[in-house]
Amino acid sequence: EAGVVQSPRYKIIEKKQPVAFWCNPISGHNTLYWYRQNLGQGPELLIRYENEEAVDDSQLPKDRFSAERLKGVDSTLKIQPAELGDSAVYLCASSFARFGAGAPEQYFGPGTRLTVT
Amino acid sequence: TQLLEQSPQFLSIQEGENLTVYCNSSSVFSSLQWYRQEPGEGPVLLVTVVTGGEVKKLKRLTFQFGDARKDSSLHITAAQPGDTGLYLCAAFLNSGNTPLVFGKGTRLSVIA
Repeated sequence: EAGVVQSPRYKIIEKKQPVAFWCNPISGHNTLYWYRQNLGQGPELLIRYENEEAVDDSQLPKDRFSAERLKGVDSTLKIQPAELGDSAVYLCASSFARFGAGAPEQYFGPGTRLTVT
Repeated sequence: TQLLEQSPQFLSIQEGENLTVYCNSSSVFSSLQWYRQEPGEGPVLLVTVVTGGEVKKLKRLTFQFGDARKDSSLHITAAQPGDTGLYLCAAFLNSGNTPLVFGKGTRLSVIA
């Protein structure tokens, strides 16, 4: 079974430029997450989707970040314009949440390492 | 303020040694998970603990959830170079429907 696929794996851009990341979750997983991981830190949740609906985006900087999950499958995360402080690894994860089943197991992709110069 | 405090931050040991890393908080969690992350990869789930006092074993790894569900430990017996990586603890404050909060991790290096 294929895991979570992310692209690109690496991206270097100049500040003020736009950038987009793409994620293809594991087939059948209804929940999709975008995390940001700064150097020396654990991942921090940016947004969580249940099917097509964004159910938790409280940590997403909405002035420059946007995300979408069309048809409840693939997702894109966009930054426009990028700032120096956005340099980080952006991780996508997916899970299959069953009501009443407790903490779901999240499967992570390899991430996109973004460098803003 | 970090919700989950992990210690030590860095650990370098010789192959064959035993080690314990810790994950502490002042909050009570419904469940806690441990992940291992290797360079250039995403975190991979090792275990989920749910019940206070619960102990789970995964080969040479032993995970324990504190009685009050506020802390956890990971013990590795006879460490191998393949155990090298970033060990992250993560927890749900309430049910699985709330965000997973990660600690900063313990970076382990096992030298052959």
